[in-house]
Amino acid sequence: GAGVSQSPSNKVTEKGKDVELRCDPISGHTALYWYRQSLGQGLEFLIYFQGNSAPDKSGLPSDRFSAERTGGSVSTLTIQRTQQEDSAVYLCASSSQGGISYNEQFFGPGTRLTVL
Amino acid sequence: LAKTTQPISMDSYEGQEVNITCSHNNIATNDYITWYQQFPSQGPRFIIQGYKTKVTNEVASLFIPADRKSSTLSLPRVSLSDTAVYYCLVGSSLNRDDKIIFGKGTRLHILP
Repeated sequence: GAGVSQSPSNKVTEKGKDVELRCDPISGHTALYWYRQSLGQGLEFLIYFQGNSAPDKSGLPSDRFSAERTGGSVSTLTIQRTQQEDSAVYLCASSSQGGISYNEQFFGPGTRLTVL
Repeated sequence: LAKTTQPISMDSYEGQEVNITCSHNNIATNDYITWYQQFPSQGPRFIIQGYKTKVTNEVASLFIPADRKSSTLSLPRVSLSDTAVYYCLVGSSLNRDDKIIFGKGTRLHILP
């Protein structure tokens, strides 16, 4: 079956613009996660959805970042007024249920965001 | 939330067995140990998971001592394609509010 997909694969934007990143999880997976990975660094947890609700938003780096998930499926991560330090690969993952540190996460290919 | 410590990097040669150890001194009773592998320009992928003793699958083995304060990922007869970053995670199936911490992982470089 289809894995996790993300779009766009690459996004170049100018400083100050808003961007929207999309994640389509594996069908039936109730848990969805967003991470950020800067060059040569580990994964930085951003936010986790269980269904449509987000029990943990504490990883969002600033109020310019927001995420939503509708219908328990597709999620969008929005970054407002982008800054150069937002440049990174944004990874989405999904898993079959909660217990989020335990259940196998399936990752998408990521969106590479470059803010000029 | 149990914190993990891994070596930043390791080098090995093709055909060798590679062992990567992860320390998790404050692991909780309900916590499992999970390892992920990340190739360049890809998202991580699940390799193996265990609770205690030894787990083996087609990719790797995971050794967990009785006190569970550490774990060792063993990759048999590595090849160049095993060059990747390996992450150790610790967490419970019971806690839905864990913040997932991948850390920086161990960057494994296989030499010919």
